[in-house]
Amino acid sequence: ETGVTQTPRHLVMGMTNKKSLKCEQHLGHNAMYWYKQSAKKPLELMFVYSLEERVENNSVPSRFSPECPNSSHLFLHLHTLQPEDSALYLCASSQASQGGELFFGEGSRLTVL
Amino acid sequence: GEDVEQSLFLSVREGDSSVINCTYTDSSSTYLYWYKQEPGAGLQLLTYIFSNMDMKQDQRLTVLLNKKDKHLSLRIADTQTGDSAIYFCAEREGYSSASKIIFGSGTRLSIRP
Repeated sequence: ETGVTQTPRHLVMGMTNKKSLKCEQHLGHNAMYWYKQSAKKPLELMFVYSLEERVENNSVPSRFSPECPNSSHLFLHLHTLQPEDSALYLCASSQASQGGELFFGEGSRLTVL
Repeated sequence: GEDVEQSLFLSVREGDSSVINCTYTDSSSTYLYWYKQEPGAGLQLLTYIFSNMDMKQDQRLTVLLNKKDKHLSLRIADTQTGDSAIYFCAEREGYSSASKIIFGSGTRLSIRP
């Protein structure tokens, strides 16, 4: 098993759909993150969960709703998205005592029609 | 807010050394990282350096940190075609498991034969 697994890898949805992105980490880390990667823009931090509590919400619109049911799983629930939300959504995990580096999943490529 | 900047493109000849530069503004950075992203993939950690170090070497990779000037560089010796990718510089604020990690826009490295 890879360290951080994201599903689905690709998702196409209409603006009225509800869908969810899933992330699972097998590294025993205690923090998980959602980043958004759009073309020609820096990675944008969306949410940070530490010990299953949300500690960062980086001014993300409410149409993105994160959920962290346990330290190994992170979800991003999507509702009434806009075409400009099309991007690569990257999940990552970290453990501060080990240098704090992020371990990323392969990403979920989202297209909103 | 905190900022991390990189040049967008770098082209080098195969076999030469590549030097990718990065500047950051956060004076309280604890760790600085270099990530590599190949097409269609997530970000892969290459190396990181603790903020009280000024150099770290790992096989073909050399990281130099000038904390006074807030300048970080990544040198890749004997650059190969497999090194073609986007390279991201990132810095961590603080030591907690939920500290923010801020990324640059990435430098696209291309290799000439």
